[in-house]
Amino acid sequence: QQQVKQSPQSLIVQKGGISIINCAYENTAFDYFPWYQQFPGKGPALLIAIRPDVSEKKEGRFTISFNKSAKQFSLHIMDSQPGDSATYFCAASRVSFRAYKYIFGTGTRLKVLA
Amino acid sequence: DAGITQSPRYKITETGRQVTLMCHQTWSHSYMFWYRQDLGHGLRLIYYSAAADITDKGEVPDGYVVSRSKTENFPLTLESATRSQTSVYFCASKGRWNTEAFFGQGTRLTVV
Repeated sequence: QQQVKQSPQSLIVQKGGISIINCAYENTAFDYFPWYQQFPGKGPALLIAIRPDVSEKKEGRFTISFNKSAKQFSLHIMDSQPGDSATYFCAASRVSFRAYKYIFGTGTRLKVLA
Repeated sequence: DAGITQSPRYKITETGRQVTLMCHQTWSHSYMFWYRQDLGHGLRLIYYSAAADITDKGEVPDGYVVSRSKTENFPLTLESATRSQTSVYFCASKGRWNTEAFFGQGTRLTVV
């Protein structure tokens, strides 16, 4: 019930292409879905996040698509750049005092070829 | 410096030794978290804390102990280190009324 499943494990995209990473969750109590970006040797940093009351959120080249009925959400990176090469983690959380914890997916290692 | 800092950045210890990883944040964030990162497993939650003196187990708490006597500190102790605890450990913090969690730089722990 607490799992977040992420795919693919790794992804290679040409510069200018679209990168798509998918996640699925089980616990319908989750109500916050962030994506984190991690560069080698660094801690993860928030990239973009969505609440379940909207189906899509866009920030620059990054878009989250959210399908509440299917319990799935995905990250789309448009016009992918070599600087986007990093590991991406989806996560799910529940806004509750003692339950506010992030459950992360297993990560996707993205490489954008120049 | 403002932010969240972990120490040490790198640690090598022997099997059976006790080791403590430190985490300090300067924002007075209510929530703090400890994760371990392993290839193929992503980030797994070890323990988290909603406030000083309130801690809860995450997904993989066995072999670890935490305390939170002060809001700004959240040390993680491996009571008797095992090779399976070789990992990169990340501490994170989050304010009570916002949603973004901020991560430290990580501690790479090797148990030999």
